[in-house]
Amino acid sequence: DAKTTQPNSMESNEEEPVHLPCNHSTISGTDYIHWYRQLPSQGPEYVIHGLTSNVNNRMASLAIAEDRKSSTLILHRATLRDAAVYYCILRPLTGANSKLTFGKGITLSVRP
Amino acid sequence: EPEVTQTPSHQVTQMGQEVILRCVPISNHLYFYWYRQILGQKVEFLVSFYNNEISEKSEIFDDQFSVERPDGSNFTLKIRSTKLEDSAMYFCASSDRTGTSYEQYFGPGTRLTVT
Repeated sequence: DAKTTQPNSMESNEEEPVHLPCNHSTISGTDYIHWYRQLPSQGPEYVIHGLTSNVNNRMASLAIAEDRKSSTLILHRATLRDAAVYYCILRPLTGANSKLTFGKGITLSVRP
Repeated sequence: EPEVTQTPSHQVTQMGQEVILRCVPISNHLYFYWYRQILGQKVEFLVSFYNNEISEKSEIFDDQFSVERPDGSNFTLKIRSTKLEDSAMYFCASSDRTGTSYEQYFGPGTRLTVT
């Protein structure tokens, strides 16, 4: 499986934008980039995914580098509730039934 | 909004005992999964299940583990003879086939404590 690399932790201020980076230099052409997050004492939660183009949804935006070797999850206005571990995960195109392989993720702290 | 539910929220058992963890996936979903997370460690895949068969399992999922979909709504994980190292949070997840995202929806987890 292609690997992802994320910083261990990041801090942000409430109501400011947050950019969470992820490197995936060995990504294959058919891998989707997925982001999940895990709030304290909860199960993981889907955030967003993309293949080549930048993506927006109600939770976040995903910016994908042109060479697809890195991506950035953008939270436009961090709230205290966004404090969580964020996981960047690669999934194959045909992976309807494929497992999620979680790394350590990046722990986001949000200061009031 | 539909959600995955799991029972019990916390299960305490003695080493060597059998436990069954229960999950109710989202009703129109076809793919089901179990993951576990030992305290302070990564979320680890255990098994995926589709069309009443195991699709994939990890090396953690040995003969002590089994899964079953006994009816149209429940999905269970059984550990036949629990060990101390089975103590963890166990998460059930489900997904459907619509679209290309196949995102997995996770339940709140069952905390299993083996004493």
